Amino acid sequence: AQTVTQSQPEMSVQEAETVTLSCTYDTSESDYYLFWYKQPPSRQMILVIRQEAYKQQNATENRFSVNFQKAAKSFSLKISDSQLGDAAMYFCAYRSAWTGTASKLTFGTGTRLQVTL
Amino acid sequence: DTGVSQDPRHKITKRGQNVTFRCDPISEHNRLYWYRQTLGQGPEFLTYFQNEAQLEKSRLLSDRFSAERPKGSFSTLEIQRTEQGDSAMYLCASSLFAPQLVAGELFFGEGSRLTVL
Repeated sequence: AQTVTQSQPEMSVQEAETVTLSCTYDTSESDYYLFWYKQPPSRQMILVIRQEAYKQQNATENRFSVNFQKAAKSFSLKISDSQLGDAAMYFCAYRSAWTGTASKLTFGTGTRLQVTL
Repeated sequence: DTGVSQDPRHKITKRGQNVTFRCDPISEHNRLYWYRQTLGQGPEFLTYFQNEAQLEKSRLLSDRFSAERPKGSFSTLEIQRTEQGDSAMYLCASSLFAPQLVAGELFFGEGSRLTVL
């Protein structure tokens, strides 16, 4: 079974600064997808960024980028120019590429990000 | 609002009572998922539907839990004889599945929080 580990329960960053959230995972599969989801307080979880394991290039979405190290099974999220609205729980998630798993996501325990002035 | 909606948002019940949650997915989405999230944890997969068929259930889903998706539209999750350990946030998500789509994104609702006294 796949597992996802987020070793940072809480992180803090000053507005306009850069922060990196860590995620490691364990799998025996070679083809899969990795995601970062953001869950603001009392709001629904939304997708921040997605990485396909077969792609060597790291995904980027505006101020959000990932550092995907397949051999190390590491998938960190970098948030540049942090904004107050980035404050939320961030979950790393894994999904097998095998269609038989029905898009089932395995989540980490989350990192709570605080953004200070 | 064309997102995933869940009802009720909060439910407080006494141990032993039955509760039912409803999820209305994004209208064109053929897959619907239920996840459970306890405090300090990431969401855990419970079950999913493709159209009206329930295709997979987690071992987390005890006999007291039942989910339906009649006519492949909205879904209900019923918990019978609730226990204090059932207290959690129940998240619904939907996605559009097609073989040619890569990693169909899951769209989450805001969740239904259950407190069992």
